[in-house]
Amino acid sequence: NAGVTQTPKFQVLKTGQSMTLQCAQDMNHNSMYWYRQDPGMGLRLIYYSASEGTTDKGEVPNGYNVSRLNKREFSLRLESAAPSQTSVYFCASHPPTGDYGYTFGSGTRLTVV
Amino acid sequence: LAKTTQPISMDSYEGQEVNITCGHNNIATNDYITWYQQFPSQGPRFIIQGYKTKVTNEVASLFIPADRKSSTLSLPRVSLSDTAVYYCLGAYSGAGSYQLTFGKGTKLSVIP
Repeated sequence: NAGVTQTPKFQVLKTGQSMTLQCAQDMNHNSMYWYRQDPGMGLRLIYYSASEGTTDKGEVPNGYNVSRLNKREFSLRLESAAPSQTSVYFCASHPPTGDYGYTFGSGTRLTVV
Repeated sequence: LAKTTQPISMDSYEGQEVNITCGHNNIATNDYITWYQQFPSQGPRFIIQGYKTKVTNEVASLFIPADRKSSTLSLPRVSLSDTAVYYCLGAYSGAGSYQLTFGKGTKLSVIP
């Protein structure tokens, strides 16, 4: 099925550990995004990639890095996890124009202890 | 960034029509008004968008007045499965990348 696939679905890290969240889309979309969602909050943009080879900071980029590996894949890395990064992370993409909105993945629930 | 205002929560009985109104005081000329639905433990799902007047699809209707300072999402005959958080946003209508700014949304609870 076409869509956005995120791995892993759940992860528990200790403070200071590192990890990479993976995201892949098979819809040939240029633009990809990483958001985080905290309890009772809307989604906040961490980083985005307008096209292969480009990345830009969003609203809350501190503590994260991203890589747009190719057109399909956009990964999010936590170099030294902190409890404040406990959240649900969503990857999304959209087609060249805004006609059909974003497609979101099912999320990665990350807990940092 | 465009800010929206919408009720924090709404309750409705099954089978009723639900209307959720959103304020878009400073929506940009090139922005669509767009709505997303989010179920617990899932990513948001695009429902509907429009520029002005009325748009209808198989899920919902969207009413946008001429001044575009508000929009109303209408869900006909809701069922328990429509219990979710609904977000209204402005989304750029042109080509290229655009960022969505999410508020806290409206939590709709459908009661049997």
